[in-house]
Amino acid sequence: AQSVSQHNHHVILSEAASLELGCNYSYGGTVNLFWYVQYPGQHLQLLLKYFSGDPLVKGIKGFEAEFIKSKFSFNLRKPSVQWSDTAEYFCAVSSGGGADGLTFGKGTHLIIQP
Amino acid sequence: EAGVAQSPRYKIIEKRQSVAFWCNPISGHATLYWYQQILGQGPKLLIQFQNNGVVDDSQLPKDRFSAERLKGVDSTLKIQPAKLEDSAVYLCASSLKGTSGIYEQFFGPGTRLTVL
Repeated sequence: AQSVSQHNHHVILSEAASLELGCNYSYGGTVNLFWYVQYPGQHLQLLLKYFSGDPLVKGIKGFEAEFIKSKFSFNLRKPSVQWSDTAEYFCAVSSGGGADGLTFGKGTHLIIQP
Repeated sequence: EAGVAQSPRYKIIEKRQSVAFWCNPISGHATLYWYQQILGQGPKLLIQFQNNGVVDDSQLPKDRFSAERLKGVDSTLKIQPAKLEDSAVYLCASSLKGTSGIYEQFFGPGTRLTVL
């Protein structure tokens, strides 16, 4: 069975600080990895995804994530955060080219202070 | 492009009552998912449909939860009877295989259920 662990449940940063949110997964086969974001009052939206190839993937709004297979990790990064990045961030894993249902972590609530 | 539609947005019921949620996926999306998101946790898959057939319902509490997608488009999720621990946001998502062969799930706004 798949599982996802997000290390930080609440993170508070100041604007322009660098961000790294940790995500580790447990799964024996080929995985597809995702980061979703939920801004206050909005739907879950896809930030970025990894299926194969270059382990450093770039997403929307300046976010990127690095897949490190040996560490079963897929950490999310952003060099300089903005107040508008305040949101809930979820790491998720699936198999089957993304067709299968997603297994989510518990989420990280990120607050950016102006 | 219209997104995934869900209704109602909010529902308050008493325990042992029944409730139903409706989802209209993005046009053309063959795969539909229902997730349950309890406060403070990530969404958990309840059931996955491919057209009108069930692909995965291993985490659906079948003694009280049921779901259908009769014509391969809209779907309903029902809880009968509801328990206090069913209080959660119920999310519907749909996906389509892209030209790259990769699927991406698009989520609706969810239905927030409170069971008193």
